[in-house]
Amino acid sequence: AQSVTQLDSHVSVSEGTPVLLRCNYSSSYSPSLFWYVQHPNKGLQLLLKYTSAATLVKGINGFEAEFKKSETSFHLTKPSAHMSDAAEYFCVVLWDRLAFGKGNQVVVIP
Amino acid sequence: DVKVTQSSRYLVKRTGEKVFLECVQDMDHENMFWYRQDPGLGLRLIYFSYDVKMKEKGDIPEGYSVSREKKERFSLILESASTNQTSMYLCASSSRGGRVNNEQFFGPGTRLTVL
Repeated sequence: AQSVTQLDSHVSVSEGTPVLLRCNYSSSYSPSLFWYVQHPNKGLQLLLKYTSAATLVKGINGFEAEFKKSETSFHLTKPSAHMSDAAEYFCVVLWDRLAFGKGNQVVVIP
Repeated sequence: DVKVTQSSRYLVKRTGEKVFLECVQDMDHENMFWYRQDPGLGLRLIYFSYDVKMKEKGDIPEGYSVSREKKERFSLILESASTNQTSMYLCASSSRGGRVNNEQFFGPGTRLTVL
């Protein structure tokens, strides 16, 4: 069965340090890939998406993600965490429909 | 500014009640979706619709039904609410783009508690 794996359900980072959220998927072909962010009491907002163009994708708020087919990964990074980055992040993969990872809850420590 | 709205942010119902959750989008999108979000489980697809009066079961349709009488409105119905349906419900919409494969725009969610 196709699946999306996000390890580390809770991630703590210090303000100003890099953020790395890992996402791996199981698939025999290259799907479309997305990262969404959900701030407290808000709906999900698209951060970035990969649709078979450049493998390094830049998104909003300084985030970027790199698609690595050989590793079936789509990890999300940001060079320097800001307090406003505290939120839950979902890796989402499109096969015949969207499949969501279980999310990373990011806490930013001042 | 594009918008997906949901009728209630918070809802409390009793076991056995019939519950309606309403979702409206103003982007003229063909596709609409209902998910439930539970801690540690991410989002799970309940039902989706790719056109007026069309509906498809998602991954967890049991205990739910939907209605799409107008393009902009997609309703989720709990025929007889149960405590295990206490959850956050998220509505989303997307343009057709071939399949249901475009970016989805999400509403703010309805937190339903069934007592």
